[in-house]
Amino acid sequence: DAGITQSPRHKVTETGTPVTLRCHQTENHRYMYWYRQDPGHGLRLIHYSYGVKDTDKGEVSDGYSVSRSKTEDFLLTLESATSSQTSVYFCAIRSGSTAYNEQFFGPGTRLTVL
Amino acid sequence: QKEVEQDPGPLSVPEGAIVSLNCTYSNSAFQYFMWYRQYSRKGPELLMYTYSSGNKEDGRFTAQVDKSSKYISLFIRDSQPSDSATYLCAMSVGTASKLTFGTGTRLQVTL
Repeated sequence: DAGITQSPRHKVTETGTPVTLRCHQTENHRYMYWYRQDPGHGLRLIHYSYGVKDTDKGEVSDGYSVSRSKTEDFLLTLESATSSQTSVYFCAIRSGSTAYNEQFFGPGTRLTVL
Repeated sequence: QKEVEQDPGPLSVPEGAIVSLNCTYSNSAFQYFMWYRQYSRKGPELLMYTYSSGNKEDGRFTAQVDKSSKYISLFIRDSQPSDSATYLCAMSVGTASKLTFGTGTRLQVTL
């Protein structure tokens, strides 16, 4: 499982509330990613990080922010959750220092926004 | 039009059959090509990874890339019920390795 954990694994929240999802890795990988998975869309990149305090946007970043204050943790925040953010969220790490290295995924967080 | 197109299935085959899963893409800059397998309510699991045109084999799995036609395939030989899952193609370009996924094909292998 490449030492990736996600928390919480399931969450139900109400529209307008803030939500933070955590991705934790144990192997000091530099690159970390957040994706969301929705029927008919596959997985889409939200944000990614290439080092502590170094982050950039992905394809579907609106409504999301991220932070990485330590190598091992990458946080995804929904400042004010909306029903369109109901999804399954996956964190991933890249296993090495080159673009050739593979990405491995965590177990996912299932988020429901009512 | 999506950058990566994949037939969603479902695809149902008998045990022992050869399965062919396919993706087409429009961005000729894609350099790296992957196949992931995803069981229900689990994270995607990397199956095959290649960056050049041609075939790459690993056990019962063969990944094929045709960059001139912008087409990739995954072949599964001697399919087993345990192969029943959703198969996702993915590809990337550049140093950040941002993956672009197909929508996934659901495969069911029946006894």
